[in-house]
Amino acid sequence: QKEVEQDPGPLSVPEGAIVSLNCTYSNSAFQYFMWYRQYSRKGPELLMYTYSSGNKEDGRFTAQVDKSSKYISLFIRDSQPSDSATYLCAMRGLTGGGNKLTFGTGTQLKVEL
Amino acid sequence: NAGVMQNPRHLVRRRGQEARLRCSPMKGHSHVYWYRQLPEEGLKFMVYLQKENIIDESGMPKERFSAEFPKEGPSILRIQQVVRGDSAAYFCASSPGSENEQFFGPGTRLTVL
Repeated sequence: QKEVEQDPGPLSVPEGAIVSLNCTYSNSAFQYFMWYRQYSRKGPELLMYTYSSGNKEDGRFTAQVDKSSKYISLFIRDSQPSDSATYLCAMRGLTGGGNKLTFGTGTQLKVEL
Repeated sequence: NAGVMQNPRHLVRRRGQEARLRCSPMKGHSHVYWYRQLPEEGLKFMVYLQKENIIDESGMPKERFSAEFPKEGPSILRIQQVVRGDSAAYFCASSPGSENEQFFGPGTRLTVL
């Protein structure tokens, strides 16, 4: 079993839709949770960075972390064609446990006109 | 405000040759991480370095792979005697400290013929 599970999609939605992307994980040591966006043949771009449980909002993006369920989500409101990309969740433990990020395999999103 | 820089962006090598991938972190960042992305897989951690020190190399293959981050100059990921299975996208990330977010470069796409 992978430490981080993420549905690869592809997920296709109409423009303006609310998108929900999710990851589950098995390692209870994970404390920091991130979402990256990766366009085709480009490097990952950091979207959201959260610590422990709770919600964080930035513009059209909202990240949620539920540590009790080992489940994280990214919501995109008013989705745009420019949001079409692969979304990667990533997580790590506290510094003493190492700085390496553990990634999901990514969910491919397509927002259609 | 330049981001993480990687070169070359594309590298073609024949089996048995050496590949050298370079990474210049963002200004003010002294922590560098290397990740590998194989087709249809997520990013996998390889190594974490600070200036002149390897902090965590738990993701590095035991043979043929090495990394350095000298006092002056970029970080180098070196792959000796490349094989076709080394073909992948190699990403470098940097952060200002161990507790901070990691920002990724555009990657080097290595193709082994």
